[in-house]
Amino acid sequence: EAQVTQNPRYLITVTGKKLTVTCSQNMNHEYMSWYRQDPGLGLRQIYYSMNVEVTDKGDVPEGYKVSRKEKRNFPLILESPSPNQTSLYFCASRYGTSSSPLHFGNGTRLTVT
Amino acid sequence: QQQVKQSPQSLIVQKGGISIINCAYENTAFDYFPWYQQFPGKGPALLIAIRPDVSEKKEGRFTISFNKSAKQFSLHIMDSQPGDSATYFCAASRVETSGSRLTFGEGTQLTVNP
Repeated sequence: EAQVTQNPRYLITVTGKKLTVTCSQNMNHEYMSWYRQDPGLGLRQIYYSMNVEVTDKGDVPEGYKVSRKEKRNFPLILESPSPNQTSLYFCASRYGTSSSPLHFGNGTRLTVT
Repeated sequence: QQQVKQSPQSLIVQKGGISIINCAYENTAFDYFPWYQQFPGKGPALLIAIRPDVSEKKEGRFTISFNKSAKQFSLHIMDSQPGDSATYFCAASRVETSGSRLTFGEGTQLTVNP
């Protein structure tokens, strides 16, 4: 089944404790992206990657890191999480053409206390 | 800066009624306008999309109306059903740029009462 898999689905952590949210897709998509969803703000892009070893900042990159060492994986790293990073996070992927549909994972709900 | 503004934030419709969600954009370079549907506990999924060379696109009960001069587009759900209850996001991007970012609206939570 074609899918984008995120782990974990739920995560509660404390301020400053490094964490990684994993994302993997099995559709051979070139483009991958991370979004955060907050009430009243919609989906805001954090980082995106056009292909292996190519990453770029989105609209809200501060406090986040990403890497794209393999085509299928695009982990999101929070090296020193803060409470304002409490949010619902989505990984998404698509083919290289901008009009290709984005395929989203089922989300990771992160709480930073 | 929110380049795509969406309204209303929430919408309650009776079964069989018409649901209308509106979006306005600022960047005249946008040329691809999709709508995404999100059910609780799931990620958004593409519902329908339009390019600005047409004023309307219909897929089943879902229709996008596009007004290029007003820089507005809207989603109409005819004969709304309880199963349509979800959050809807409009979005916009530039197709020509391969790395083009999809800019999303704020989202509309639709509830269809039986």
